[in-house]
Amino acid sequence: AQSVTQPDIHITVSEGASLELRCNYSYGATPYLFWYVQSPGQGLQLLLKYFSGDTLVQGIKGFEAEFKRSQSSFNLRKPSVHWSDAAEYFCAVGEVTGGGNKLTFGTGTQLKVEL
Amino acid sequence: DGGITQSPKYLFRKEGQNVTLSCEQNLNHDAMYWYRQDPGQGLRLIYYSQIVNDFQKGDIAEGYSVSREKKESFPLTVTSAQKNPTAFYLCASSLVNEQFFGPGTRLTVL
Repeated sequence: AQSVTQPDIHITVSEGASLELRCNYSYGATPYLFWYVQSPGQGLQLLLKYFSGDTLVQGIKGFEAEFKRSQSSFNLRKPSVHWSDAAEYFCAVGEVTGGGNKLTFGTGTQLKVEL
Repeated sequence: DGGITQSPKYLFRKEGQNVTLSCEQNLNHDAMYWYRQDPGQGLRLIYYSQIVNDFQKGDIAEGYSVSREKKESFPLTVTSAQKNPTAFYLCASSLVNEQFFGPGTRLTVL
C-alpha cells in the first residue's frame, strides 16, 4: 500500500528566509506526486504536481519541488517566504484507477511565518 | 465560474441523527471523492466514484453512505453508525490525474 510521510508537523521561518518542507513516499511503481496548500477552514489548492519527466517541478506562488527516486522524496522549496505563505501543506501520492485517481495524503506540515 | 460547491459550510447535528452533506461540481469531471480531515491526521478517503451509478469504498467508509445519480452531484450521508462524526469533510473531483477540492463542510455532532 502506498504511504506518505511528512516528518515535520510544525515549521517556523522568518519572512524572506528560504523554506524546505520534507515529503517521503512509499509506492511500488512510478508515483504521481502532489503538493497542496490549505488555509484555515478552507479547501485544498494544488501547488504543483509530478507525473514524469523533469524531476524539478515548478508550481504556483514561487514554489518548486524536486523528485528524487533514490531517496523516495518529493521536497517542497521556496527561496523566499512571504507572510501570506503561512498555511498547512500536504504532500500526496496518487494511484491511477480507471477514470480517476486515489490520493494518499501525508499528515501535513503547519507553516508559521515570523515577521 | 467552474468549480466545486459544498453546502452547508457549517453543520450541527444531535448525536444519533443522520445528516447529508452536499457536493456539486460543474467541471464536467467524471470522478468524485469524499475525504475526512481531522487535526494531525491529514485527509482520509471515505468514498469515491468514477462514473455515475457506481462508487467504491475508501479507507474509512464505515458509518457513511453515498449516491451518484448525476454526474454533477455526489452527496455524502453520515449515519448514526459513525462513532465519531465531528470532522471537516472535503469533496473533490477529477478528470484524470489532478483532483480539485471544494471549500469543505465542518460537521459538529453535539
